[in-house]
Amino acid sequence: QVQLEQSGAEVKKPGSSVKVSCKASGGTFNRYAITWVRQAPGQGLEWMGGIIPISDTPRYAQKFQGRVTITADDSTATAYMELSSLRSEDTAVYYCARGGVSGSHLGWFDPWGQGILVTVSA
Amino acid sequence: QSVLTQPPSVSGAPGQRVTISCTGTSSNIGAGYDVHWYQHLPGTAPKLLIYANTYRPSEVPDRFSGSKSGTSASLAITGLQAEDEADYYCQSYDGRLSGSVFGGGTRLTVL
Repeated sequence: QVQLEQSGAEVKKPGSSVKVSCKASGGTFNRYAITWVRQAPGQGLEWMGGIIPISDTPRYAQKFQGRVTITADDSTATAYMELSSLRSEDTAVYYCARGGVSGSHLGWFDPWGQGILVTVSA
Repeated sequence: QSVLTQPPSVSGAPGQRVTISCTGTSSNIGAGYDVHWYQHLPGTAPKLLIYANTYRPSEVPDRFSGSKSGTSASLAITGLQAEDEADYYCQSYDGRLSGSVFGGGTRLTVL
């Protein structure tokens, strides 16, 4: 049974960057997409992008193009999401999740990490 | 403005049946991409309820079911229980955007 463990909460200044991690255990890592989804306070779920570690080619939502970088380290079964030029609107809980279809960005997300609260405040 | 449209809220009494709709377009649901549903309780990670339109993970009760037709999909919950009170999201893939998309979410209230 795959489990995803995310890094701890972060507090950042506007204009800075944040890099959060998502470590997989208990299953195959490199053939399934790791996706990042965020939820801002009072808002719904928002897909940010994802990566299939074995192919190493990430996909990003248009909204975050140029600001987000998603990477994966197969040797440690860990995926990372870095968001730059932070603004207050980026305050949100950031989740990682594993794609449900091997080798594809299509499909469902399961399981999910526990979520990371990133707070952007001066 | 979410790509997939869901009603903001639905409600029902214990034991009743409710449905939550998810309306898309010809570039996502209407293009044949599958729809998936999640239950999200405050302070917890979203939980997969239905995948590939109609399939249910083994741990999800059979009170939850999904369907899809044309550019829309629906989640049905029968025998409503107090523990079903949560936010529900649909998700699909959009070929024009080349990425996944979510609905805006529906808050279910059990009266």
